[in-house]
Amino acid sequence: GENVEQHPSTLSVQEGDSAVIKCTYSDSASNYFPWYKQELGKGPQLIIDIRSNVGEKKDQRIAVTLNKTAKHFSLHITETQPEDSAVYFCAASISSGAGSYQLTFGKGTKLSVIP
Amino acid sequence: NAGVTQTPKFQVLKTGQSMTLQCAQDMNHEYMSWYRQDPGMGLRLIHYSVGAGITDQGEVPNGYNVSRSTTEDFPLRLLSAAPSQTSVYFCASSSSSGANVLTFGAGSRLTVL
Repeated sequence: GENVEQHPSTLSVQEGDSAVIKCTYSDSASNYFPWYKQELGKGPQLIIDIRSNVGEKKDQRIAVTLNKTAKHFSLHITETQPEDSAVYFCAASISSGAGSYQLTFGKGTKLSVIP
Repeated sequence: NAGVTQTPKFQVLKTGQSMTLQCAQDMNHEYMSWYRQDPGMGLRLIHYSVGAGITDQGEVPNGYNVSRSTTEDFPLRLLSAAPSQTSVYFCASSSSSGANVLTFGAGSRLTVL
């Protein structure tokens, strides 16, 4: 099955600096790579995703890059703000025969933005 | 829309007790799933369903049962709780045409003594 490795497990940045979280995946058949943000006491929420036919995607201060050859993808957050403090999960999907896609998640990165 | 609703939010069980975690969604999503979240382990898939009457096992299914009698509901049953099942449980759903965008519930924290 798919295996997703995520680094670092914790990350502290000063407010206004950039944060980068990296993930690698094992199954070359994976074709969908979402990033979820989990705030304290809440369920994860999708913040951005990318498909294997795209190399980079941006949404305001957030961007994701994908390198299919190396099987890794990264989340970039620029101009970090205290409200960016949360746990971030990367994931990769592999399709099942039932037409559904099971997501395999990384172990998460706890991001702390220091005011 | 309420989205994905999980009940209860907190539960304490004794070893050997049984219970059901409830999950309901009002988005007419075909796909529903249960994950458990443990410190340093991320989110691990327990069971999933691609539609009413269809369920399948995920990565860590042992000790859990599920059923999907309606599109809206996907309960998770613990028949004989064990301390190893102490965790935070998340239910999530998506439309099969929605490109795997999961909508998560707020979670259910279970402690087994």
